[in-house]
Amino acid sequence: DAGVIQSPRHEVTEMGQEVTLRCKPISGHDYLFWYRQTMMRGLELLIYFNNNVPIDDSGMPEDRFSAKMPNASFSTLKIQPSEPRDSAVYFCASSSHGLAGGGEQFFGPGTRLTVL
Amino acid sequence: QKEVEQDPGPLSVPEGAIVSLNCTYSNSAFQYFMWYRQYSRKGPELLMYTYSSGNKEDGRFTAQVDKSSKYISLFIRDSQPSDSATYLCAMKKGTNAGKSTFGDGTTLTVKP
Repeated sequence: DAGVIQSPRHEVTEMGQEVTLRCKPISGHDYLFWYRQTMMRGLELLIYFNNNVPIDDSGMPEDRFSAKMPNASFSTLKIQPSEPRDSAVYFCASSSHGLAGGGEQFFGPGTRLTVL
Repeated sequence: QKEVEQDPGPLSVPEGAIVSLNCTYSNSAFQYFMWYRQYSRKGPELLMYTYSSGNKEDGRFTAQVDKSSKYISLFIRDSQPSDSATYLCAMKKGTNAGKSTFGDGTTLTVKP
């Protein structure tokens, strides 16, 4: 398996532009998580899905952020309009209820977002 | 106050040293306790997990949970430069694959 795939790996954009981050989870996993990581705030859970349904979006910072999971193999995180304070590394992770070990999360390589 | 507190470090030790990484938590409902390792510019990867109180050993790594004190530790024996990474503790309330609560991570550097 190729693991969790994220694109793009790097994104540089200007304030006010729309940004779309993409994620393909591991096949067969039924949970998908979006995180944001910064030096100041650490790893923050933004939203997670179970069977393509959003379960908890309490970590989404504001209405500028939205996430969708149209099918089991694809999810997007959109920021519109983007602001410099959104600069961070965004991780997607997937998991399965059938896994041992309390449900290990498998992380993608991340998207490094810079908003100028 | 965060549910999970972790000393951010950074922590720098000489090769061969014993390393102790720690987290405290406030929610007594946590049952699964995990340690993830994150190398620079990579995503976190699960290193170890334990269920409830006690110790678990895997090679040079030992995970320890003290539920009465709400305190977990990760010990690394005979530390190696390849152990240089950020270590994040994580906790879950149940066995399903839902939400984990992560600490902010401790950055460790092992110097040759």
